[in-house]
Amino acid sequence: DQQVKQNSPSLSVQEGRISILNCDYTNSMFDYFLWYKKYPAEGPTFLISISSIKDKNEDGRFTVFLNKSAKHLSLHIVPSQPGDSAVYFCAALRSGTYKYIFGTGTRLKVLA
Amino acid sequence: EAGVAQSPRYKIIEKRQSVAFWCNPISGHATLYWYQQILGQGPKLLIQFQNNGVVDDSQLPKDRFSAERLKGVDSTLKIQPAKLEDSAVYLCASSFLSGEETQYFGPGTRLLVL
Repeated sequence: DQQVKQNSPSLSVQEGRISILNCDYTNSMFDYFLWYKKYPAEGPTFLISISSIKDKNEDGRFTVFLNKSAKHLSLHIVPSQPGDSAVYFCAALRSGTYKYIFGTGTRLKVLA
Repeated sequence: EAGVAQSPRYKIIEKRQSVAFWCNPISGHATLYWYQQILGQGPKLLIQFQNNGVVDDSQLPKDRFSAERLKGVDSTLKIQPAKLEDSAVYLCASSFLSGEETQYFGPGTRLLVL
């Protein structure tokens, strides 16, 4: 049972445009969400997170939106840069636990 | 600040052989995690340590996988005997505390079982 889903395995965007990566979850007990970025041959690196008490969190070019009723979150990257080309994983967990549940990832390619 | 260190970076073995991976977490991080990432999937937690104690090993295939963190710092993950389906990237992560603390990942060990 895939509790966290990233239905788009890949996404291509022109440099300077907006990248939107989506993530859906099924477990209503999840209340903390994170996005990680992964370059080839490297481990995932933390990008941004959001608690379920918020519906938006912003950090520079990266914004995460959370729609609890739809059990959906999205990561917006504006403007997209070639260095953003990587695999992006969303992860969800329940407060007070440690157990990240990761999605399957979306490979973003930003075209120069 | 040094990151999470892992070795080896790559390993190729034949099925039924044994293999061990090593992880050194970020200094001061009490919590250490081992994940398995199969190609095309997200990382899946195998085991979590808090200092030198196991917090959760519910998804660790204990008939062939074992892990230890004897002194509460570095850790080893062992597979014996390996199966073809163990081919994956094994990621080690650490965090200061459990819960919503950000986990910091090492570069991983890519294992290929032939």
